Amino acid sequence: DIQMTQSPSTLSASVGDRVTITCRASQSISSWLAWFQQKPGKAPKLLIYKASSLESGVPSRFSGSGSGTEFTLTISSLQPDDFATYYCQQYNSYPVYTFGQGTKLEVK
Amino acid sequence: QVQLVQSGAEVKKPGASVKVSCKASGYTFTSYGITWVRQAPGQGLEWMGWISANNGNTNYAQKLQGRVTMTTDTSTSTVYMELRSLRSDDTAVYYCARVTFSNYYDSSGYNDYWGQGTLVTVSS
Repeated sequence: DIQMTQSPSTLSASVGDRVTITCRASQSISSWLAWFQQKPGKAPKLLIYKASSLESGVPSRFSGSGSGTEFTLTISSLQPDDFATYYCQQYNSYPVYTFGQGTKLEVK
Repeated sequence: QVQLVQSGAEVKKPGASVKVSCKASGYTFTSYGITWVRQAPGQGLEWMGWISANNGNTNYAQKLQGRVTMTTDTSTSTVYMELRSLRSDDTAVYYCARVTFSNYYDSSGYNDYWGQGTLVTVSS
């Protein structure tokens, strides 16, 4: 099974900061990676698919990069609405999926 | 607009079964698969399995094999997830999510739309 490891587990930042979250796969997953944002009590929301494609309606301050085993999600200028938990998901082994353990982005 | 509407919260005793529904609307039901994902309190997301709404093919997480069954009813555009022999560690919010492909040639699909979640509590 493909394992996904996110870092850091918790990230403290301030409004306006540029933040980066990393996701590493235990084997190559090409570009079959998605990023989700989840707020308490809500379903996950798709931000990025195919490693770097921005989902329609998602602000352009979100971007994704990487291929193979190492991926990043970057928020260029943190906004108050961005404090949430972020998950990566590999779908290289479709229809079997794996999520990272999550990164909680909190106010510094 | 695409919507996935799930059934309401459930409280079950250990050893019982639960069946959660996910009713789809706003798209051609049989053109997309559905995955089920659960989230225990304060924990991360766990993939449970996938079902094709076209032909009913399934693929389940190994740890749930033998306890989980996913089915579809194309007449009502509804997907069901049944989990048997419930234990306390099955207490979680259960989500259904549609699988889509970024283009016709892609061999792998990701989750775009999600249901609102169904809380299943297992307690004696």
